[in-house]
Amino acid sequence: EAQVTQNPRYLITVTGKKLTVTCSQNMNHEYMSWYRQDPGLGLRQIYYSMNVEVTDKGDVPEGYKVSRKEKRNFPLILESPSPNQTSLYFCASSRGTLYQETQYFGPGTRLLVL
Amino acid sequence: KQEVTQIPAALSVPEGENLVLNCSFTDSAIYNLQWFRQDPGKGLTSLLLIQSSQREQTSGRLNASLDKSSGRSTLYIAASQPGDSATYLCAGVSGGSYIPTFGRGTSLIVHP
Repeated sequence: EAQVTQNPRYLITVTGKKLTVTCSQNMNHEYMSWYRQDPGLGLRQIYYSMNVEVTDKGDVPEGYKVSRKEKRNFPLILESPSPNQTSLYFCASSRGTLYQETQYFGPGTRLLVL
Repeated sequence: KQEVTQIPAALSVPEGENLVLNCSFTDSAIYNLQWFRQDPGKGLTSLLLIQSSQREQTSGRLNASLDKSSGRSTLYIAASQPGDSATYLCAGVSGGSYIPTFGRGTSLIVHP
């Protein structure tokens, strides 16, 4: 089944404790991205990747890191999480650039930073 | 910078009604506009993608239109059903950017 998977689905952590949220897709998609969704603010893109070893900032990259060492994986790293990073996070992928292609979203990771 | 607005924020209709959800955008140099559905606690599911060269797209009971000159897109849902209850989001990708801009969504409830 074609899908985007994220782990973990739920995470409670404390300020400053490094964490990684994994994202994997099995569709051989080139484009992958991370979003956060907050009440009243909607979905905002954090980082995106056009292909392996090619990443770029989205609208809200501060406090986040990403890497794209393999085509199928695109982990999101919070080196020193803070309470304002409490949010619902989504990973997404598409076959090519967003000019032509639809996006497929993962199920989401709900993060609480205490 | 592209801004995307969805009105109304919430909508409640009886089953069987035809309804229209609205999405407006500020930058007419839009490459495409995509409509998504989000169920509570779940990810987004793509419904329809309209390229800038297209006027509309149809899938089953759904029809989406795009009017770049007026900065508007509409999602038409025919013969609504309780299973259509969800939040509907639109997102546009504008010239020169690979970053989509999302609206805040319309929360739809279809009651039996």
